[in-house]
Amino acid sequence: AIQMTQSPSSLSASVGDRVTITCRASQGIRNDLGWYQQKRGKVPNLLIYAASTLQSGVPSRFSGSGSGTDFTLTISSLQPEDSATYYCLQDYDYPITFGQGTRLEIK
Amino acid sequence: EVQVVESGGGLVKPGGSLRLSCVASGFTFNTHTMSWIRQAPGRGLEWVSSISSTTAFIYYGDSVKGRFTISRDNAKNSLYLQMNSLRAEDTAVYYCARDGGIGSFDHWGQGTLVTVSS
Repeated sequence: AIQMTQSPSSLSASVGDRVTITCRASQGIRNDLGWYQQKRGKVPNLLIYAASTLQSGVPSRFSGSGSGTDFTLTISSLQPEDSATYYCLQDYDYPITFGQGTRLEIK
Repeated sequence: EVQVVESGGGLVKPGGSLRLSCVASGFTFNTHTMSWIRQAPGRGLEWVSSISSTTAFIYYGDSVKGRFTISRDNAKNSLYLQMNSLRAEDTAVYYCARDGGIGSFDHWGQGTLVTVSS
C-alpha cells in the first residue's frame, strides 16, 4: 500500500499567516492527490483535487502544488474559520490511503 | 443539489452483522464510482471500499477484506455495505462518498455511527 506521510502533525499560526502543509507519498502517484478539510464534528470537505485544482466554492486562499511524491497545501492568509484538521489522500492505486492528518490551530 | 444520505448504523455485538445503506440524489448515480470511508472516534480517515459504476471493479481495504461486502443498486440510486464478523475496531462513523477520481471525493454524506460493543 502507498503510504502518505503528512507534516507537521499539528501547527499553530496566527490570522494572516501563510501556512504550508506537506504530504509525501511512498511512491510516485502522478497528481492523483486530494486535500480535505475537516472541522471538529463535521464532514470532511474537498479543497483541492488533482494536486492543484481548487474545488468549486473553496476560497482562493487555498492552493495545492506538487506531483510525483511531494505535495503541498498552502493557505495564503490564514482566517479564523480555517481551524481544522487537514488530510491528504491518494487514489493513484488501491488501497486508497489518507495521510494521518494535520491539526491546524489559530493562535 | 447533490445529496448522499447514509442509514443503518447502530450498536452491535462483536461477531455480529450490520448493513449500511446510502441513497444518492441530484446526480447520475450510475455513472459514478462510490465509496465507503470511515473514521474511528478521535482518529483519522480510513478508506474502506469502492465499487465502480457498473460493479465491474470492487476494492476493499485490508482491514475489512473478507468480512465486508460492498454493493449497489443503480435502479434505486443506492449503495450498500454488508458488514459481517464485526470487531470492536470497526467502531466508527461510516461515510458514503461520491468518487470523482484524481483525489476527489467530492460529495459526502453526514455519516452513520457503527458501535461494536458487548
